[in-house]
Amino acid sequence: EAGVTQFPSHSVIEKGQTVTLRCDPISGHDNLYWYRRVMGKEIKFLLHFVKESKQDESGMPNNRFLAERTGGTYSTLKVQPAELEDSGVYFCASSQRGVLASYEQYFGPGTRLTVT
Amino acid sequence: QKEVEQDPGPLSVPEGAIVSLNCTYSNSAFQYFMWYRQYSRKGPELLMYTYSSGNKEDGRFTAQVDKSSKYISLFIRDSQPSDSATYLCAMSVVTGNQFYFGTGTSLTVIP
Repeated sequence: EAGVTQFPSHSVIEKGQTVTLRCDPISGHDNLYWYRRVMGKEIKFLLHFVKESKQDESGMPNNRFLAERTGGTYSTLKVQPAELEDSGVYFCASSQRGVLASYEQYFGPGTRLTVT
Repeated sequence: QKEVEQDPGPLSVPEGAIVSLNCTYSNSAFQYFMWYRQYSRKGPELLMYTYSSGNKEDGRFTAQVDKSSKYISLFIRDSQPSDSATYLCAMSVVTGNQFYFGTGTSLTVIP
């Protein structure tokens, strides 16, 4: 079974540009999460989808970040316009439906974003 | 104050040693406690999770939760060089799905 995949693995953009990150969850997983790790800090929650619906987006830092999950399959996270402080590693995770299963979140390898 | 505190290390032990990794937390609402292992340039890999207080064992790994002290531990017995990685604790409240992570402890097991 394929794990969570993320694309690209690394992106370098200039301040003010737009970047779109993609996450493909494990097939059949209704829950999809985005997290971010800024250098030297802990991994922090950004948002949670259940199928195509945003269940919790309390961790999104501001309106420059837009997440979508069309059809309840893959998800994209767009940053527009990017700022220097957006640099970090963006992780996607997925889990099956169900209260207990929600705690078994499987993480992708991450996208390393560098804003210069 | 951070929700979850974790000593970043680094921690270096000889092969075969028992390793103890710990996290403390401030939010008494946390009920689920997870341990992840992360190799360099990879995503976190779930090792085990426990609910509320108590112990859980899986092979060479034992997770302990002491809710009265807001303290969780991961013990690794007979440590191997392949255990060298960063270990992250994470926790969540019962009704939510947001995970709160520690910063991770870097472990090196020396052959």
